[in-house]
Amino acid sequence: GDSVTQMEGPVTLSEEAFLTINCTYTATGYPSLFWYVQYPGEGLQLLLKATKADDKGSNKGFEATYRKETTSFHLEKGSVQVSDSAVYFCALSDSQAGTALIFGKGTTLSVSS
Amino acid sequence: DVKVTQSSRYLVKRTGEKVFLECVQDMDHENMFWYRQDPGLGLRLIYFSYDVKMKEKGDIPEGYSVSREKKERFSLILESASTNQTSMYLCASNVRGQYYGYTFGSGTRLTVV
Repeated sequence: GDSVTQMEGPVTLSEEAFLTINCTYTATGYPSLFWYVQYPGEGLQLLLKATKADDKGSNKGFEATYRKETTSFHLEKGSVQVSDSAVYFCALSDSQAGTALIFGKGTTLSVSS
Repeated sequence: DVKVTQSSRYLVKRTGEKVFLECVQDMDHENMFWYRQDPGLGLRLIYFSYDVKMKEKGDIPEGYSVSREKKERFSLILESASTNQTSMYLCASNVRGQYYGYTFGSGTRLTVV
């Protein structure tokens, strides 16, 4: 079945460092891909999405490009801030696999000043 | 702004109690979902519903049931709470056939003692 694999954390960075969180997927159809963020004590917020191959999602300085050839959707940010400390989830939805979102296990990012 | 509201932010229940977690959405969405979030395991789908009185099992339905008597409300029921059901529970909704517009509630952190 469909699945999402993302790099294990925690990821610990200094402020202004470059961030990459790797995400790869397995899907039977043509999935839409998402990054969600969960700040401490809060629910999930959609960070960005891409609905077809070669689309680039971006928001708040974060970017991810839907790469069909490598089945990847890596999250990047050029300069992280302390306020970016959170748990990041990669997810997919696939009409071939059903209605629900399928999530990776989450990556905890901790940014220090 | 569209909203998914979970009735309780924190709950503490005793082993063996029957527990109701409530979720209400104001977007007229057909699909509603219940996920469970645990550290290192990500989000796992418990149940979802694609219409009033309709439900489908997710990946981990054991020990849970659901009720959807009205389109806007989706209840998760723990028939006899156990300590291994201590977790964060997240509700979500989206439009049927739209594989990207998911909205999440803020979550209910349930502790079973």
